[in-house]
Amino acid sequence: GDSVTQMEGPVTLSEEAFLTINCTYTATGYPSLFWYVQYPGEGLQLLLKATKADDKGSNKGFEATYRKETTSFHLEKGSVQVSDSAVYFCALESGNTPLVFGKGTRLSVIA
Amino acid sequence: SAVISQKPSRDICQRGTSLTIQCQVDSQVTMMFWYRQQPGQSLTLIATANQGSEATYESGFVIDKFPISRPNLTFSTLTVSNMSPEDSSIYLCSVARGHPNYGYTFGSGTRLTVV
Repeated sequence: GDSVTQMEGPVTLSEEAFLTINCTYTATGYPSLFWYVQYPGEGLQLLLKATKADDKGSNKGFEATYRKETTSFHLEKGSVQVSDSAVYFCALESGNTPLVFGKGTRLSVIA
Repeated sequence: SAVISQKPSRDICQRGTSLTIQCQVDSQVTMMFWYRQQPGQSLTLIATANQGSEATYESGFVIDKFPISRPNLTFSTLTVSNMSPEDSSIYLCSVARGHPNYGYTFGSGTRLTVV
């Protein structure tokens, strides 16, 4: 079945550091790919998405490019802030199946 | 996209009791989804709730333990029955954002602790 694998955390970075969180997927069809963020004590929020190969999703300085050849959707940000501390989930949707989530990566940014 | 109001936001319950979680959506939606997020884990789909029919449960989840109601297109409830400490989790409801590829909107979650 469909699956998502993302790098395990926790990831601890200093403010203004570069962030990469790796995500790879396995899917039988042509999935849409998402990054969700969960801030402490809150529910999930959609951060960005990409619906087809080579699409780049971006939001709040975060970017991810849908790479079909490597089945990847890595999350990047050039300069993280303390307020970016959260858990980040990579997810896919394929056909009529509901979202499949990765295990989540906890990011802590220290000043 | 839809706005979801989920309640309660948190609760502490005695083992053996039941808790009903409510989700209210500000627009009509065909399908609503219920997820469980165990401590330090990812989200696991419990069931899909369609209005007018029984919910469809994922492997490992049964209706007797997690009965779901979907009385109309804007509301759903999930009950966690006969609770044990292993049921301590965050429970979230979710709806599609409209277009099939636009992602999903989530409720703010219910943090359940069973003692």
